[in-house]
Amino acid sequence: KAGVTQTPRYLIKTRGQQVTLSCSPISGHRSVSWYQQTPGQGLQFLFEYFSETQRNKGNFPGRFSGRQFSNSRSEMNVSTLELGDSALYLCASSGLAGGSGELFFGEGSRLTVL
Amino acid sequence: GQNIDQPTEMTATEGAIVQINCTYQTSGFNGLFWYQQHAGEAPTFLSYNVLDGLEEKGRFSSFLSRSKGYSYLLLKELQMKDSASYLCADHSGNTPLVFGKGTRLSVIA
Repeated sequence: KAGVTQTPRYLIKTRGQQVTLSCSPISGHRSVSWYQQTPGQGLQFLFEYFSETQRNKGNFPGRFSGRQFSNSRSEMNVSTLELGDSALYLCASSGLAGGSGELFFGEGSRLTVL
Repeated sequence: GQNIDQPTEMTATEGAIVQINCTYQTSGFNGLFWYQQHAGEAPTFLSYNVLDGLEEKGRFSSFLSRSKGYSYLLLKELQMKDSASYLCADHSGNTPLVFGKGTRLSVIA
């Protein structure tokens, strides 16, 4: 079956702009998690959605938001971009919520903020 | 389940054995995941340990000691393609996985 699909794969924005990233989970998976990956901090949890409800949220400012649709596809939005938001944003889907199941990761969206 | 600690970098020789350690806090602990991530690619699942002991899966094995808050990933008969980052992740309570910063393994000839 198809894996986790993230779009766009690469994007360049300037400070102050906003960005929306999309994630389509594996068919049948209702849990979608988002992580930010940077060389210095590793993988840091952003949020988790399960059946259109946000179950958990990481320690990120309110500029970071997300949502999940009825077909389990998820989007995350970052407003008022800062240089420090440059990172690889990874989406992962699972058949179970709350970290119980194996996470299947997408290839990521690499954001560069200039 | 916070404060996961693993070495930043390791280097090993092709054909050798390497052990990558991971320590975590034991509060509310359920299990410990290991993922492999090649440069520029998505992390992929390697193992999930819930019970104490060693679980072997081909050239890769993973060990867990719940009482010590300690796990390791053992890679045998190293190949050049094993050069990657290895991430351990703590599953505690009903919360999302918390990942360590990863260990970048370089396999040299």
